[in-house]
Parts: sequence; C-alpha cells; structure tokens
Amino acid sequence: DTAVSQTPKYLVTQMGNDKSIKCEQNLGHDTMYWYKQDSKKFLKIMFSYNNKELIINETVPNRFSPKSPDKAHLNLHINSLELGDSAVYFCASFPRGSNTEAFFGQGTRLTVV
Amino acid sequence: AQSVSQHNHHVILSEAASLELGCNYSYGGTVNLFWYVQYPGQHLQLLLKYFSGDPLVKGIKGFEAEFIKSKFSFNLRKPSVQWSDTAEYFCAVNGGYGQNFVFGPGTRLSVLP
Repeated sequence: DTAVSQTPKYLVTQMGNDKSIKCEQNLGHDTMYWYKQDSKKFLKIMFSYNNKELIINETVPNRFSPKSPDKAHLNLHINSLELGDSAVYFCASFPRGSNTEAFFGQGTRLTVV
Repeated sequence: AQSVSQHNHHVILSEAASLELGCNYSYGGTVNLFWYVQYPGQHLQLLLKYFSGDPLVKGIKGFEAEFIKSKFSFNLRKPSVQWSDTAEYFCAVNGGYGQNFVFGPGTRLSVLP
C-alpha cells in the first residue's frame, strides 16, 4: 500500500494550459510538501501545508497554488503553464515535530511544450 | 534558516572503490540529518538518518554516515561501491519542530563497471 501517491506520473501539456497534480498520503502525517526538481536535480521547496494551513510559500510564481481539501491530500494547481515549468514535481509528507524522515511520492514529470 | 551544501557535484568511481560524499549544514540548533538516494528515473529513498546517539549511523546497502557536530558535517561513506550505486545522492536537514525539510543540491555518483 503506497504511503504517498501522486497522479499523474507523466504529464505533457501545451503552454498556457492549466493543470493539476494530485497527492495523497495515508500515513496520518500533518505536514505535506511540494518540491520541484529541475533539470540539474536541485530540489526546491515550493509549498508546505500543516493541518491545511499554508506555513511556507517559497518564491514561486502565483500561477502555482496548493490546494488541500483535507489533511491527507495536497494538490498542486498550475495556471498558464510556461516552458520553464517543465520539471519533476515531488510530493512529500512529514510528521512535523517528530524524529522521522520525510516520505516521498514517485514524482510527476511535467513537460510543457 | 537552514541550509545544506554538498561538496561534489559529480563523482566518478570505478567498481570496488571507496566512496565519501561530503555534506555540511548551517543551522544553530539541534538537527536531524538524512541521506536520500535517487536512482535514475525514480523517487527519493531514504538511505540513513541521524537523530541522536551514536554519531556513526549505518544505513541500507552498506552505506554509513558520520555526524561531526563541531564541523557541522554528515558525510556519507561506503567502503566498496558497485555499479548499481550509480544515482543522485541528497543530504537533508530538518531542524526539528517548526523547521522545514531542506535538501542539499545533490551529488551525482557514476560508478564505472
């Protein structure tokens, strides 16, 4: 049973479109993250949600918006996609305040053409 | 704010060679430290973690890491690498409750058969 699952695994879309990536965790964690991994493999935190409250928002364009319908889900919605948005996006969950690691989804490879 | 640096961008070794990947962090308080591995086309997997106690921690697949508090370092080691160790390696830091899970820029390891 997958702990953190992301859908879709691959997403190819045209510039200007709006798309969403879904993430679900069944670990009961109270914090979820979205990371962007660029072509150089650098992992950058985009958003973090703790109990449905946005607690960090790194300097990402406002075309990106996280949406958390409940504690187990953190979806990433992207408006007006640009070529530079092409990357692999990872969702992760983490029990904040505990001594444990972050658990990652399998990633979504987004290609904007 | 936490930050993590990794000494090498790309390391190339022959099979059976010994490996040491450097990691330094910047954070004034107590930290939890991690090494993750990302095999080509896959998601991040935990190699090992340090929370407290013995500063020499052993992980999966023969990897180990040593926490040296005075040097703010958490270097990853393996006495004899295999071709299957070819991957991207990420050091990560979590400064405890309320702090983010921050990754270093990654080190690409290429093991030649």
